[in-house]
Amino acid sequence: EAGVTQFPSHSVIEKGQTVTLRCDPISGHDNLYWYRRVMGKEIKFLLHFVKESKQDESGMPNNRFLAERTGGTYSTLKVQPAELEDSGVYFCASSPADNEQFFGPGTRLTVL
Amino acid sequence: EDQVTQSPEALRLQEGESSSLNCSYTVSGLRGLFWYRQDPGKGPEFLFTLYSAGEEKEKERLKATLTKKESFLHITAPKPEDSATYLCAVQAGNDYKLSFGAGTTVTVRA
Repeated sequence: EAGVTQFPSHSVIEKGQTVTLRCDPISGHDNLYWYRRVMGKEIKFLLHFVKESKQDESGMPNNRFLAERTGGTYSTLKVQPAELEDSGVYFCASSPADNEQFFGPGTRLTVL
Repeated sequence: EDQVTQSPEALRLQEGESSSLNCSYTVSGLRGLFWYRQDPGKGPEFLFTLYSAGEEKEKERLKATLTKKESFLHITAPKPEDSATYLCAVQAGNDYKLSFGAGTTVTVRA
């Protein structure tokens, strides 16, 4: 069974540019989560989808971040415009219910 | 706000030298405590879920235990391939989100 996949694995952009990260969850998992780790800090929750609906957006840092999950399958996380402090590793995870979450390999974002 | 504190930050072990990692937590209404393993450049890999005080789970050389205030991850007779960062996370209240600790980086020397 394929695990959670994320694209791209790395992204380097200039401050002010736009970047879109993609996550494909494990097939059949209704729950999809975005997390991020910034340098030297612990992994922090961003938001939670149940199918195509946003269940919890409490971790989204500001309105420069937009997450979508069209059709309840893959999800995208757009950062527009990117700032220096957005640099970090963005992880996606999925779960069938409120139990263990399975993580993807992450996207390393560097904003110059 | 949920708080998860892991100690020590780093642990260097000789192959075969058993040790324990600590995860202390402060949450309102624990639903589950999760242990993950993370290798450099990869995402967290699920190890265990513990739901109530007194519960124990085992997998190969790893054993996780849970009390009302903390969890321990015991590594018995570790091998170099057990080298990784071990992350503890909690799920509380009605939330599905995980709150993570900073992790313990374990290095096992042959």
